[in-house]
Amino acid sequence: NAGVMQNPRHLVRRRGQEARLRCSPMKGHSHVYWYRQLPEEGLKFMVYLQKENIIDESGMPKERFSAEFPKEGPSILRIQQVVRGDSAAYFCASSPGAGNEQYFGPGTRLTVT
Amino acid sequence: GEDVEQSLFLSVREGDSSVINCTYTDSSSTYLYWYKQEPGAGLQLLTYIFSNMDMKQDQRLTVLLNKKDKHLSLRIADTQTGDSAIYFCAESTNQAGTALIFGKGTTLSVSS
Repeated sequence: NAGVMQNPRHLVRRRGQEARLRCSPMKGHSHVYWYRQLPEEGLKFMVYLQKENIIDESGMPKERFSAEFPKEGPSILRIQQVVRGDSAAYFCASSPGAGNEQYFGPGTRLTVT
Repeated sequence: GEDVEQSLFLSVREGDSSVINCTYTDSSSTYLYWYKQEPGAGLQLLTYIFSNMDMKQDQRLTVLLNKKDKHLSLRIADTQTGDSAIYFCAESTNQAGTALIFGKGTTLSVSS
């Protein structure tokens, strides 16, 4: 049973470009969460999605960031017009249901130059 | 507001026990979690405890929860060099238990 998959593992973008991060949940999991980890910090919750629905985006910056989890395919976290402060590790987690334990992927390390 | 606090570093010798401590502020927390992160890797769920329990044991790991003091600890018995990593404490606070609040992590260094 494959774990949570994220790609790419490393992403380098110039300021002003777009970054698209992908997450495939564990088999049988329909709940996906995105977290951001800044250097020397813990993880900060960004958004929680179920298939085709955003349930909680209270941790998502209001501008430039968006997330989706379509009926088919992976969940996507999209960052438009990236800035240096977006450089971080972005982790995706999945769970079989709301309130269940969350299993994390290996993360995507975004570097903005 | 919600906050999870951990000490930043812990250094132990191989074979000793390690105790990593965590305090949290939200008394409505339903589950509390311990995750392990090795360098450059994702987070591995180690164990979790429901808020109506005060202890949980799983092989070398023992979790103690003092709900009155909002204090959580993770004890690793017979610590090995492979246990060297960052350990994160996390709480789930909303009713659905969906948004986890993480501490900044405790770096455990095990020397042989």
